Amino acid sequence: KAGVTQTPRYLIKTRGQQVTLSCSPISGHRSVSWYQQTPGQGLQFLFEYFSETQRNKGNFPGRFSGRQFSNSRSEMNVSTLELGDSALYLCASSPLDPFSPYEQYFGPGTRLTVT
Amino acid sequence: DQQVKQNSPSLSVQEGRISILNCDYTNSMFDYFLWYKKYPAEGPTFLISISSIKDKNEDGRFTVFLNKSAKHLSLHIVPSQPGDSAVYFCAARATYGQNFVFGPGTRLSVLP
Repeated sequence: KAGVTQTPRYLIKTRGQQVTLSCSPISGHRSVSWYQQTPGQGLQFLFEYFSETQRNKGNFPGRFSGRQFSNSRSEMNVSTLELGDSALYLCASSPLDPFSPYEQYFGPGTRLTVT
Repeated sequence: DQQVKQNSPSLSVQEGRISILNCDYTNSMFDYFLWYKKYPAEGPTFLISISSIKDKNEDGRFTVFLNKSAKHLSLHIVPSQPGDSAVYFCAARATYGQNFVFGPGTRLSVLP
C-alpha cells in the first residue's frame, strides 16, 4: 500500500497570508489527524477527522481549520499566518479498527516557513 | 502543562550496548502508549505499543516497560545499532478514539 502523502513538502509564506496543506491517507484509512511539530515542543495535536467529521480538536486558535473529503483526503488551512506558525505539519492516518491496536501512520510532513 | 514528559532531550550510547529511553506521564487515565522513531525530513514511524493491562511488550530488539503506579514507561533497545540514531517520541491516549498526547522527544545517538 502507498503510504501517507502530504503536499507540498516545503512552503514559504509571508505574515498575514493564508495557506492550505493537503494530506492523502493510506487507502482504506478513514481517520486523519494533523499535528504541528516545533523544536522542543514535540508534536502538538491540531485536530482529527473521521468520515468527514471533526472528532477531536487540540488547543489551537481558530485560524487553524481543516476538513476531510468523502475519499478521506484531508486539508488543513491556516489563515492570517504568524511567524510562530513556522513548523513541520504532520498528517497521520489510521484505520481506527477497534479490534486492532490503535496505530497512526505519519506522512513526511510539510515544512512551513513564515517570513 | 505537559502531560507526557521525556526529561532527557538527548542520549548517546555505544553500538551494541543497551539504550534506555524514558517517558513519564501525569494523567492516570492514559491507557494506551506508543513509541515512535523519527528521522530528519521524515514523518514519525511507529515502533511499539503497550496497553495499560500489560507491563511489558517485546518486539525484536525493542521492549517497552510500563510501570502504572509510577506513571512511567521506558523503551529498551538491545543491542543498539547506528541506524537507531533518531528522535524517539512517546505518546499516550486516555480513551480509545481520543487523540494521542506526545512527549517532546529524546534524540538518541548510537556511536560506532
